[in-house]
Amino acid sequence: DTEVTQTPKHLVMGMTNKKSLKCEQHMGHRAMYWYKQKAKKPPELMFVYSYEKLSINESVPSRFSPECPNSSLLNLHLHALQPEDSALYLCASSQARGAGQYFGPGTRLTVT
Amino acid sequence: GENVEQHPSTLSVQEGDSAVIKCTYSDSASNYFPWYKQELGKRPQLIIDIRSNVGEKKDQRIAVTLNKTAKHFSLHITETQPEDSAVYFCAAWEAGGSEKLVFGKGTKLTVNP
Repeated sequence: DTEVTQTPKHLVMGMTNKKSLKCEQHMGHRAMYWYKQKAKKPPELMFVYSYEKLSINESVPSRFSPECPNSSLLNLHLHALQPEDSALYLCASSQARGAGQYFGPGTRLTVT
Repeated sequence: GENVEQHPSTLSVQEGDSAVIKCTYSDSASNYFPWYKQELGKRPQLIIDIRSNVGEKKDQRIAVTLNKTAKHFSLHITETQPEDSAVYFCAAWEAGGSEKLVFGKGTKLTVNP
């Protein structure tokens, strides 16, 4: 299996909702990432997990809460989001940090 | 921290022509340079990468060159086809600092049939 999968594909949530994004990879990669991408912009790093431990938090607001239950799974818990948080949320994985990152298809999030 | 500049922001070529996209980076400690292709509505796809101990790498119609002294690297696409139309992002791995990929702003390539 050479793919990174993400669910759901699309998510619409209100500002008071709590939801979670899920990411899975079965390539044996030990680094996993969450990125946020706005239209016509490059991906913007949010979090990095290395060997299931959080190693980078790019000063992301606490309404975004990452979780790495095991080496194949990565979650992003969302709570009390703002309309400006609407974006494509991409998960990626790599064999190690400093190696090629492979992206999932993303979750298109709309906050109303 | 690392800063990656990418040019041009848009590029239009005729089918069969070559396309070149250039990037410069600021941190001499950076040692890994991938290129991503992102079609509309799709995920960024890793298409080629190069490490700092190599000057050039080819994969069929695409090639990447790296000049460590000048701190720039380029993507070359030959015999372009309409399906090459996409946004291309260069990136540099910031090895000495926070250890993350720093992306360029992207180049929208249009290949006209």
